Amino acid sequence: SQQGEEDPQALSIQEGENATMNCSYKTSINNLQWYRQNSGRGLVHLILIRSNEREKHSGRLRVTLDTSKKSSSLLITASRAADTASYFCATALIQGAQKLVFGQGTRLTINP
Amino acid sequence: NAGVTQTPKFQVLKTGQSMTLQCAQDMNHEYMSWYRQDPGMGLRLIHYSVGAGITDQGEVPNGYNVSRSTTEDFPLRLLSAAPSQTSVYFCASSRGLAGGGYEQYFGPGTRLTVT
Repeated sequence: SQQGEEDPQALSIQEGENATMNCSYKTSINNLQWYRQNSGRGLVHLILIRSNEREKHSGRLRVTLDTSKKSSSLLITASRAADTASYFCATALIQGAQKLVFGQGTRLTINP
Repeated sequence: NAGVTQTPKFQVLKTGQSMTLQCAQDMNHEYMSWYRQDPGMGLRLIHYSVGAGITDQGEVPNGYNVSRSTTEDFPLRLLSAAPSQTSVYFCASSRGLAGGGYEQYFGPGTRLTVT
């Protein structure tokens, strides 16, 4: 069964607005990662946050992790049309940290 | 570097046919994996390998075989195709990150239709 569940399943916002996506998971993790998938393409790694970290930044991306609630959020600030894509969270379990379990994804549409 | 390459990009099979999806990486990564992606299901792990000669099952291994004779190549074999195997297949390899954790690099995918 899927480890991660993402919310919302789809999100549509205006260019320049911020986009927030959430991910919840069930079991203890080594780290949590976010990936982006453009239509018809493979996934691209965005950011990794370890279980002992609470917040991480990379450019316009901000990721938070709350291990007590088993949840994470991805914030994209000042969105651009090029951010239109599907975003997936993936959890690496403590045992076998190379194996990732993916959520179902959030489809983000940025309207110009 | 070419990264992770997959062939073919598209394939149509009839029920009962067999075929091999090819995957190769030129980054000298030890860990490789195969996923399938179905609408609304995210990615599900089929098989993975932690190095040449070592493979193991993922979440949905039935109907698929893998082998890993070299670090570079990790082919996925469909033994007897079924319509339920219609999906997009992604191969990935991973590298370790400073401080721990692994980042996965994905190929462009193979879109398979079984009629």
